[in-house]
Amino acid sequence: GDSVTQMEGPVTLSEEAFLTINCTYTATGYPSLFWYVQYPGEGLQLLLKATKADDKGSNKGFEATYRKETTSFHLEKGSVQVSDSAVYFCALRITSGTYKYIFGTGTRLKVLA
Amino acid sequence: DAMVIQNPRYQVTQFGKPVTLSCSQTLNHNVMYWYQQKSSQAPKLLFHYYDKDFNNEADTPDNFQSRRPNTSFCFLDIRSPGLGDAAMYLCATSRGGSTDTQYFGPGTRLTVL
Repeated sequence: GDSVTQMEGPVTLSEEAFLTINCTYTATGYPSLFWYVQYPGEGLQLLLKATKADDKGSNKGFEATYRKETTSFHLEKGSVQVSDSAVYFCALRITSGTYKYIFGTGTRLKVLA
Repeated sequence: DAMVIQNPRYQVTQFGKPVTLSCSQTLNHNVMYWYQQKSSQAPKLLFHYYDKDFNNEADTPDNFQSRRPNTSFCFLDIRSPGLGDAAMYLCATSRGGSTDTQYFGPGTRLTVL
């Protein structure tokens, strides 16, 4: 079945460090891919998305590229800030016969000043 | 402007006392979802509706029921809450297309005493 695998956290970085959070997926067809962010006590917010191979999603300095050949959608940011501290979820939209999304287990990021 | 609204944000109930959580949306989306989330784990899908077409996950306990009286509103009923049902409950919506984004509400934090 379809699945999403994320690197385990927590990830602890100093401010202005480079961030990578790995995400790989298994799916039939060509799923749309998403990164969501969740701040403490809140719901999930869309961070970025990509809907086809080689698309790059970007928002607020975060980027991720849909790599079909490696079935990956790694999240990157060149210079993290303390305000980026949150939990990040990679997700895919199952393409066939359903309206469901599959989420990774989440990666907690902590950025130190 | 809030697009997916959940009420209440915090709900305290007693063991075995029925509780209803509410979700409304201003997006006019076809699909509405209920998720259970514990301790920043991945959201766990309980059920979803496409319009009035109800889809229950196989592992959703019978204790959990849902109603969608119209496009805008969806309710989660927990008939006899147990201590293990304490969690964040997230409502989400989407238009239903294979590339569409899922939009989340802020969640309701349920405490069971």
